[in-house]
Amino acid sequence: DAKTTQPPSMDCAEGRAANLPCNHSTISGNEYVYWYRQIHSQGPQYIIHGLKNNETNEMASLIITEDRKSSTLILPHATLRDTAVYYCIVRRIAGANNLFFGTGTRLTVIP
Amino acid sequence: NAGVTQTPKFQVLKTGQSMTLQCAQDMNHNSMYWYRQDPGMGLRLIYYSASEGTTDKGEVPNGYNVSRLNKREFSLRLESAAPSQTSVYFCASILGRGGMETQYFGPGTRLLVL
Repeated sequence: DAKTTQPPSMDCAEGRAANLPCNHSTISGNEYVYWYRQIHSQGPQYIIHGLKNNETNEMASLIITEDRKSSTLILPHATLRDTAVYYCIVRRIAGANNLFFGTGTRLTVIP
Repeated sequence: NAGVTQTPKFQVLKTGQSMTLQCAQDMNHNSMYWYRQDPGMGLRLIYYSASEGTTDKGEVPNGYNVSRLNKREFSLRLESAAPSQTSVYFCASILGRGGMETQYFGPGTRLLVL
């Protein structure tokens, strides 16, 4: 699976959009981009995933660049409960079964 | 629908003691995984089970054994605990396969080995 690079930490004002970047410059054509988050002392939680097109669900939007070398997770209206570590993961369609979580981005939503 | 449950939530062991971490899911998923999480290291896969009755080693299997007794339950056993196994253990149940997977995690078991 391709390696990802994320900033170690970010702050966001409550009510504002949180834009979390991820670089995956070595991604190949059969690899999906997944985002999970982990709120303190809880298990990781699935947010969203995509291959080429932008995706949106009730939690977030995922914007993938045309060359697929980077992506941005957008939380449209961040709340205090969105304070967590966010993990960007690139996953092959076939191959190893586990997700490599890395160290992620610690997002702090500020009142 | 409880999702993924894990017991116990916390455990303190002495070096050399044994214990079994329990995990159960009620989502009828075929695949289940065990991870450990240590500060600054993300999650590392210990063992996984692609289906009932099958298990395979992950990235860090040494010192652990697993058992997939039925579709719902996947247990992790430490036969002789060591301080290096102090960690937070997460069980995950997987929807989908072949890259199109969503993992649902339990709340974790915090283990301290003295």
